[in-house]
Amino acid sequence: DIQMTQSPSSLSASVGDRVTITCRASQTINTYLNWYQQKPGKAPKFLIYGASTLQSGVPARFSGSGSGTDFTLTISSLQPEDFATYYCQQSYSDFRTFGQGTRVEIK
Amino acid sequence: QVQLVQSGAEVKKPGASVKVSCKASGYTFTTYGLSWVRQAPGQGLEWMGWISAYYGNTRYSLNLQGRVTMTTDTSTKTAYMELRSLRSDDTAVYYCVREGQNGDYVFFQHWGQGTLVTVSS
Repeated sequence: DIQMTQSPSSLSASVGDRVTITCRASQTINTYLNWYQQKPGKAPKFLIYGASTLQSGVPARFSGSGSGTDFTLTISSLQPEDFATYYCQQSYSDFRTFGQGTRVEIK
Repeated sequence: QVQLVQSGAEVKKPGASVKVSCKASGYTFTTYGLSWVRQAPGQGLEWMGWISAYYGNTRYSLNLQGRVTMTTDTSTKTAYMELRSLRSDDTAVYYCVREGQNGDYVFFQHWGQGTLVTVSS
């Protein structure tokens, strides 16, 4: 299986901050990288595919970048509704795998 | 709109089996694959496997192979996930997820509401 490692595991930030989450794959996955947001007690919400393409309706303050093994999710100006856990997921292999998640908390 | 409605919470004893259903609506059922993803309490997301709603072929996580079976009933637009020989560490919320696709990119676009399965003696 392709291992996905996110960092940090958690972070504290304030409204308006720029936040960056990193995801690293154990082998090259080109740009077959997706991002999801999950709030407590809710199903995950799909945000980004192909490493950088925003799903329709996702605010433009979210952006993704990277290729190969290293990827980032950036929130340019954190909003109250963005406090959640974020997961990366690879779709390069038919055996899909997720990162362990990054919890974004209020400072 | 796309909806995936899952069956209700289950409590099972160790060694038992559970079968979770996922009824789809709002799209042509056989056009998209379905995955199952689970989440243990306070933990991350774990992909369990995938089924083609059209052909019925499957791929299962190596961690679960031998204990999990995924099926679909195209007449009722329902997907099923059966997990056998349950252990306490199978306690989790189980999600069915419909794929989306854009070119070569495949992603988990639509999620069911989740089904809590509790394994306890």
